[in-house]
Amino acid sequence: LAKTTQPISMDSYEGQEVNITCSHNNIATNDYITWYQQFPSQGPRFIIQGYKTKVTNEVASLFIPADRKSSTLSLPRVSLSDTAVYYCLVASYNTDKLIFGTGTRLQVFP
Amino acid sequence: DVKVTQSSRYLVKRTGEKVFLECVQDMDHENMFWYRQDPGLGLRLIYFSYDVKMKEKGDIPEGYSVSREKKERFSLILESASTNQTSMYLCASSFGTGELFFGEGSRLTVL
Repeated sequence: LAKTTQPISMDSYEGQEVNITCSHNNIATNDYITWYQQFPSQGPRFIIQGYKTKVTNEVASLFIPADRKSSTLSLPRVSLSDTAVYYCLVASYNTDKLIFGTGTRLQVFP
Repeated sequence: DVKVTQSSRYLVKRTGEKVFLECVQDMDHENMFWYRQDPGLGLRLIYFSYDVKMKEKGDIPEGYSVSREKKERFSLILESASTNQTSMYLCASSFGTGELFFGEGSRLTVL
């Protein structure tokens, strides 16, 4: 399974765009990249998933370069409520052993 | 909406007690997982199951066992609780697409 590396923490201000990068140098051909958001005292929540290039949904965008050795979660115009821990997960479909990294703690200031 | 329900949000147990943490999902997912989460260590996989009566060890299975007698239910068992098992325990389920659905967590304190 691909091991992931993320920054431990990031700070931002309301209204800014935040980009969180995850490194996964050993990603396999069949692996997908999934990002989760976790608030205190809650379970993580799915944000977005992608395989290559760019994926966008109503809350975030995911950028994956051609070599797929990293990925970037982009949160447009963050608000205070985006303060959370963000995890990237790299795994194949039907891979049963899903291993998370230590996550990135994002703090948004007013 | 998918719902993953963990039986207890908060538990306090004594060292040596047997502890059961129950998890039920209502989406007919094949795969279910138990993680523990500690400050600075992120989410660590304890056990997972991809079918009824099947189980596989995760990264930190020592001191834990699991049971999956029905597809919707996955139980985590601490045979003899110890203080180093004080933690937040998170259950999750999935169809195998990489999209996990988590419960709210069970915060266990072992005295």
